[in-house]
Amino acid sequence: QQQVKQSPQSLIVQKGGISIINCAYENTAFDYFPWYQQFPGKGPALLIAIRPDVSEKKEGRFTISFNKSAKQFSLHIMDSQPGDSATYFCAATPNNAGNMLTFGGGTRLMVKP
Amino acid sequence: KAGVTQTPRYLIKTRGQQVTLSCSPISGHRSVSWYQQTPGQGLQFLFEYFSETQRNKGNFPGRFSGRQFSNSRSEMNVSTLELGDSALYLCASSLGLEQYFGPGTRLTVT
Repeated sequence: QQQVKQSPQSLIVQKGGISIINCAYENTAFDYFPWYQQFPGKGPALLIAIRPDVSEKKEGRFTISFNKSAKQFSLHIMDSQPGDSATYFCAATPNNAGNMLTFGGGTRLMVKP
Repeated sequence: KAGVTQTPRYLIKTRGQQVTLSCSPISGHRSVSWYQQTPGQGLQFLFEYFSETQRNKGNFPGRFSGRQFSNSRSEMNVSTLELGDSALYLCASSLGLEQYFGPGTRLTVT
């Protein structure tokens, strides 16, 4: 049972464009939603995270938008750069259950120069 | 601060053997979680240890086990290896909700 659904599976964006990756979750107990970036041969690196008490969080070129009623959240990468080419994972975890992330299936992003 | 370290980085084992992977968390982090990453199943949670106790367990068979030591270092063990156990095994450490991953151990079972 996939509790976090991520789309699209792959994405091609021109340099300077906006990359948008979407995730939807089922478990209403989830209340911490991080995004990870993974380069080939490396472990996932924490990019940005959000709690459901806010609808948007921005850090540099990365923004998370959160819609609690729709149980959806998305990552926007503004001014996308070739160096952003990587696989991105959304994830979720219940706050009161320790650290057990449920991951989306991943989005392979390619930013063309 | 040094990041999460995992050893070994690469491992080749034969079906039926067992393997032990090691993880050293970021200094001061008491929670260590393990994940399996495969092309087919993606990233899946194995288990979490906090203060030497297993706090959470994912949906994996009993062949997968782990432990944590008093210095927060953790090991995971896979017994009776199967071809399907070939994967990247990732360790993550955390102080609160934010989890920081190591580079992983690439296990190949032949």
